[in-house]
Amino acid sequence: GEDVEQSLFLSVREGDSSVINCTYTDSSSTYLYWYKQEPGAGLQLLTYIFSNMDMKQDQRLTVLLNKKDKHLSLRIADTQTGDSAIYFCAEYGTDSGYALNFGKGTSLLVTP
Amino acid sequence: DAGVIQSPRHEVTEMGQEVTLRCKPISGHDYLFWYRQTMMRGLELLIYFNNNVPIDDSGMPEDRFSAKMPNASFSTLKIQPSEPRDSAVYFCASSFWGRPYNEQFFGPGTRLTVL
Repeated sequence: GEDVEQSLFLSVREGDSSVINCTYTDSSSTYLYWYKQEPGAGLQLLTYIFSNMDMKQDQRLTVLLNKKDKHLSLRIADTQTGDSAIYFCAEYGTDSGYALNFGKGTSLLVTP
Repeated sequence: DAGVIQSPRHEVTEMGQEVTLRCKPISGHDYLFWYRQTMMRGLELLIYFNNNVPIDDSGMPEDRFSAKMPNASFSTLKIQPSEPRDSAVYFCASSFWGRPYNEQFFGPGTRLTVL
């Protein structure tokens, strides 16, 4: 499928905000997702945004979508050590069949 | 519901041996996906099924890999013969078409090491 690109690593201090960025290329994407993978576990859906939305907020999480630039971001406010994980950006579009197209994941390290 | 169940959780085998990974999807889900995760290549979709029928196997690396879904509650991914480069974490995921935002539920994965 089309490429979904993410930076591989991000380190922040506890209490700061984290921003994880993602770019995608499939203009037919209808849903975009953020999945979280904790050590030794499978991926779990964190949040998603429909393509006709610009922003979605859910407690400490804010998702921003810029369709013109095909850019998706995830902001985590007041980042905690428990937020340390790998975060995957994914897209679903009519060109993907029924499969999701995942990025390679961003490893977030939160230091005390 | 117990979620997606995978077995074994860890598998260590020697090159040339046959490896079979197993998955039980969430009851009522009609899509099942097999992924492979490595440091170098990230998360790769290998194959997915709809109502037990393989829909897209273009991600299967080569003929050494095969997957089956004999019924709605069971799927296997087989590697024969296995090679060291097959070492990875293999995930199974399932989803339900009726769910509006197409969420996939992942199992805990099988960590495969081929010596």
